[in-house]
Amino acid sequence: GNSVTQMEGPVTLSEEAFLTINCTYTATGYPSLFWYVQYPGEGLQLLLKATKADDKGSNKGFEATYRKETTSFHLEKGSVQVSDSAVYFCALSLNTGNQFYFGTGTSLTVIP
Amino acid sequence: NAGVTQTPKFRVLKTGQSMTLLCAQDMNHEYMYWYRQDPGMGLRLIHYSVGEGTTAKGEVPDGYNVSRLKKQNFLLGLESAAPSQTSVYFCASTRTSRETQYFGPGTRLLVL
Repeated sequence: GNSVTQMEGPVTLSEEAFLTINCTYTATGYPSLFWYVQYPGEGLQLLLKATKADDKGSNKGFEATYRKETTSFHLEKGSVQVSDSAVYFCALSLNTGNQFYFGTGTSLTVIP
Repeated sequence: NAGVTQTPKFRVLKTGQSMTLLCAQDMNHEYMYWYRQDPGMGLRLIHYSVGEGTTAKGEVPDGYNVSRLKKQNFLLGLESAAPSQTSVYFCASTRTSRETQYFGPGTRLLVL
């Protein structure tokens, strides 16, 4: 089946620390991969995406590279800020079928 | 351009009561989805629609019904609410199944 596994949280970091949130996937086809972010009290919004192997998605200092050989799409940021505190979701979609598959989310808290 | 809107934002129901959640999008998207979000479980797909007049079951459809009479609207109904349906409900839409999903702000439902 299709599924996404991401590291469990919560994650607490000091401001300017390096962030990695691991995400691995299982897919029956060739997926597109996404990272979504959810700020407190809000809906999810797209952070970045990649549609083919070796693509790197980037936005707001966050990056993730589509690694087909390791079926991974790890999220990284070199220097986190307090405003990055949120829940991060890894997700995939396939060109066969109509559904998106989400990980369980990783809560990040950045302290000053 | 409002994106995806959800009505109501918050609701309290008694067990056995019924209600309808409304989702509206102004992006002319074909695909629309209803998810529920519960602590530690991420997003779970309830129902989805791939176009006006179509609906399909997701991962957790029991106790819910949906309708897509107009392309821009996707309604989620609870015929007889149960405490297990206490959750945050998110609607999302997308142009195709491989593109970015756009989420509404969510509806918090408490069933007593």
